[in-house]
Amino acid sequence: KAGVTQTPRYLIKTRGQQVTLSCSPISGHRSVSWYQQTPGQGLQFLFEYFSETQRNKGNFPGRFSGRQFSNSRSEMNVSTLELGDSALYLCASSLAGDSNEQFFGPGTRLTVL
Amino acid sequence: GDSVTQMEGPVTLSEEAFLTINCTYTATGYPSLFWYVQYPGEGLQLLLKATKADDKGSNKGFEATYRKETTSFHLEKGSVQVSDSAVYFCALFRNSGNTPLVFGKGTRLSVIA
Repeated sequence: KAGVTQTPRYLIKTRGQQVTLSCSPISGHRSVSWYQQTPGQGLQFLFEYFSETQRNKGNFPGRFSGRQFSNSRSEMNVSTLELGDSALYLCASSLAGDSNEQFFGPGTRLTVL
Repeated sequence: GDSVTQMEGPVTLSEEAFLTINCTYTATGYPSLFWYVQYPGEGLQLLLKATKADDKGSNKGFEATYRKETTSFHLEKGSVQVSDSAVYFCALFRNSGNTPLVFGKGTRLSVIA
């Protein structure tokens, strides 16, 4: 069974731009969660989607948004990029929203210049 | 709110040394506890888990016991290898309510031959 895939793996943007990251969960998984990982703050929860609905949201500004499609694939969008948005963005999927067993993708490394 | 505290790294050990990475948590109720590992350039992989008090999770020679009385879930391995060099994250999941995984800040382990 294929694992969680994230595209692109690396991305370089400039301040003020916007970016869209994509995550394809493991087949059959309906829950997708997004995390931001930085050296200073560690792993911080962004949001979780289950059956196309945002079920949970972390403490991030409204510039960070996401969505989930009917095939469970998810995208997250960051608008008006800031230097501090440089991070590794990790996506994790789980069966039926049971966060007890989350499977992580390799991440997208975003660099904002 | 819920939180996880891990010993700060980096931890540097010689091959075949004994490893302990301390993890304590604060949470209401009876959370599930996890150790995740992140190898360089990769996402997180679930290493082991325990879902109730006194459970012992184990995998690849690593072990951790859920100690409710001390709210701890310390990771141990009897003989580390160079290939164990990675960042280790302790995490909890509160089983009641739709809450995300809460991670510790991570502990970097370097094993030298």
